[in-house]
Amino acid sequence: EVQLVESGGDLVLPGGSLRLSCAASGFTFTNYWMTWVRQAPGKGLEWVATIKTDGSESYHVDSVKGRFTISRDNAKNSLHLHMNSLRAEDTAVYYCAKGGTHDGDHWGQGTLVTVSS
Amino acid sequence: DVVMTQSPLSLPVTLGQPASISCRSSQSLVHSDGNTYLIWFQQRPGQSPRRLIYKVSNRDSGVPDRFSGSGSGTDFTLKISTVEAEDVGVYYCMQGTHWPPAFGGGTKVEIK
Repeated sequence: EVQLVESGGDLVLPGGSLRLSCAASGFTFTNYWMTWVRQAPGKGLEWVATIKTDGSESYHVDSVKGRFTISRDNAKNSLHLHMNSLRAEDTAVYYCAKGGTHDGDHWGQGTLVTVSS
Repeated sequence: DVVMTQSPLSLPVTLGQPASISCRSSQSLVHSDGNTYLIWFQQRPGQSPRRLIYKVSNRDSGVPDRFSGSGSGTDFTLKISTVEAEDVGVYYCMQGTHWPPAFGGGTKVEIK
């Protein structure tokens, strides 16, 4: 059974940093692109970033480019999102999803990031 | 960037009756590889999104056959043949053909 478990969400000050993690199991992690998607409270879904199977390519949407970095550790079956220069508008539940832009077939339960003073 | 427009925003439905959600894209979703990467997600209250349909009309494993997807180019539809209580939630379409991927604004399905 595919399992994706996010962690690392917290309350952080504007301008602060945070590192999210996603522990993956139940599938061959190295065979799949992986993705972060976020959802602001009471709002819709927004794609954040996607990374290739071996980590050699990654793509970030414009709203986070230069501030967030997606990475993966294939030895530990884990996905990460390094978030810097956080803003109030980054407040959201962050979901880890299996697959890339053509897939997204399994999602975790999400981790809440709140940016507030 | 591609814009995805869903309608209606809210869809009150009587149990056992059909429901239909429309999703339109601002440009064709046919990929250079010939596939159309249009996906439908269901998000039940308090839960994370669950993929129902991929590449326009392919149902995911475990998804009841009362859900069906159709369409082409820029115009797509999700249909529920007979709505059940467990179908309550928000439904999102998403395009994965062009970067950046984009979601529709969501359609809230509720029971009348």
